[in-house]
Amino acid sequence: GAGVSQSPSNKVTEKGKDVELRCDPISGHTALYWYRQSLGQGLEFLIYFQGNSAPDKSGLPSDRFSAERTGGSVSTLTIQRTQQEDSAVYLCASSPRTGAAGTEAFFGQGTRLTVV
Amino acid sequence: GENVEQHPSTLSVQEGDSAVIKCTYSDSASNYFPWYKQELGKGPQLIIDIRSNVGEKKDQRIAVTLNKTAKHFSLHITETQPEDSAVYFCAARTTDSWGKFQFGAGTQVVVTP
Repeated sequence: GAGVSQSPSNKVTEKGKDVELRCDPISGHTALYWYRQSLGQGLEFLIYFQGNSAPDKSGLPSDRFSAERTGGSVSTLTIQRTQQEDSAVYLCASSPRTGAAGTEAFFGQGTRLTVV
Repeated sequence: GENVEQHPSTLSVQEGDSAVIKCTYSDSASNYFPWYKQELGKGPQLIIDIRSNVGEKKDQRIAVTLNKTAKHFSLHITETQPEDSAVYFCAARTTDSWGKFQFGAGTQVVVTP
């Protein structure tokens, strides 16, 4: 079936503007994650959704960042008043289940955000 | 929290030779260790994983070993091919943080013909 889909694939925005990044997880996957990857760096955890439970927002770097997941499926990551340091690739992943010791996470291709 | 260190940061190998990437983790509660391959301009792709109740897992030319006592795990690629060139990331996750994979910094592997 289809993998994790993210849109847009590239986004250039002016400093101070708000942006919305979208993630369509694999159908039926209950867990959804957002990570950020700065140029040449590893992956930094942002937020995690699991079913109807409250999301784990502990990785969001500031209150300018927020995310929601509607209907347990599509997720939107919103960055308000963007800053140049927000420039990075934002990666979304989903997992088929939770609670087991080892649930595979499958990543989308990412959204490359450039703040100018 | 969990901390994962990955070495080396770059690895150049001759086609046909083997490549080994090593990771160490700090949290003894970590129980799931995936490896991802990331090609330029693409998202990370899961290539193999291992759970804490297993010491070794193999899938064709790739294998992963886990030493829980020493808290380290390794990726082994045998008979390397040019298409193995990519950045490889290791990760660890604990049972009390289902959503938080802690990733290593990555290893740039270059396979030269």
